[in-house]
Amino acid sequence: QKEVEQDPGPLSVPEGAIVSLNCTYSNSAFQYFMWYRQYSRKGPELLMYTYSSGNKEDGRFTAQVDKSSKYISLFIRDSQPSDSATYLCAMSGNAGNMLTFGGGTRLMVKP
Amino acid sequence: DGGITQSPKYLFRKEGQNVTLSCEQNLNHDAMYWYRQDPGQGLRLIYYSQIVNDFQKGDIAEGYSVSREKKESFPLTVTSAQKNPTAFYLCASSIVAGTASEQFFGPGTRLTVL
Repeated sequence: QKEVEQDPGPLSVPEGAIVSLNCTYSNSAFQYFMWYRQYSRKGPELLMYTYSSGNKEDGRFTAQVDKSSKYISLFIRDSQPSDSATYLCAMSGNAGNMLTFGGGTRLMVKP
Repeated sequence: DGGITQSPKYLFRKEGQNVTLSCEQNLNHDAMYWYRQDPGQGLRLIYYSQIVNDFQKGDIAEGYSVSREKKESFPLTVTSAQKNPTAFYLCASSIVAGTASEQFFGPGTRLTVL
C-alpha cells in the first residue's frame, strides 16, 4: 500500500463547477501538507501549503486537512478551463523531512 | 528572471550509454533535489543536496549519480546501470532542505531509451 493515495482520475467537470480533490495517507507523523498543480509537460508549481489540521483559503482554492481521518482535500470554486491540469498532493513529517507525493489527479474543466 | 532551468527538454539514450541532465538555479537556494516522475506514481526522490559538495541518496538512487560543485548547479547522470530510465525528470530547489520552505521546480527533462 502506498503511503499517500490519490485517485488518478481523470476528473471531468463543466466550467463553473466546484471541484473536490482528495488524498488519503497512512503516516500519522505527517503534519506539513501541500498541493501542487502541474500542467502537461511542465514542472509542478505550489498552490497551497498548510500545517497541521484546519482550512486555508486562497482565492478560489481552499485546502482542508483532517488529521484524525488522515485525509486532505483541495476545493476549487468556479472552476475554469485554465484549471485543467494534474494536481499532486505532497506531505511530510517534521521540517527537514523529504516530501512524499501522491500519484496526482488529472482534472479536465470543459467550457 | 529568477528560476530553475533544465536542459535538454527531450533526451534520447541508447542502451548502455550514460547521459547527464543539467539543472541550474539562480534563486540562491541552498538545497536542490532530483525527482523521477512515472505515470500514476507521483514524484520519487532520486538525490538531494543541502549544501555544496554534499549530497544524499533518496528513495531510488540506484543507477544514478550527482555532483554539487557549485551552489547553482546540480547535474544528474543516468548511468547504464539504471535498467528502466525512461521517465520525466524534475529538478527542484528550496531555500533550505526539508519542507519548511517551498520547493520550486524546473520544467523537466523527458528521457527516452531507444
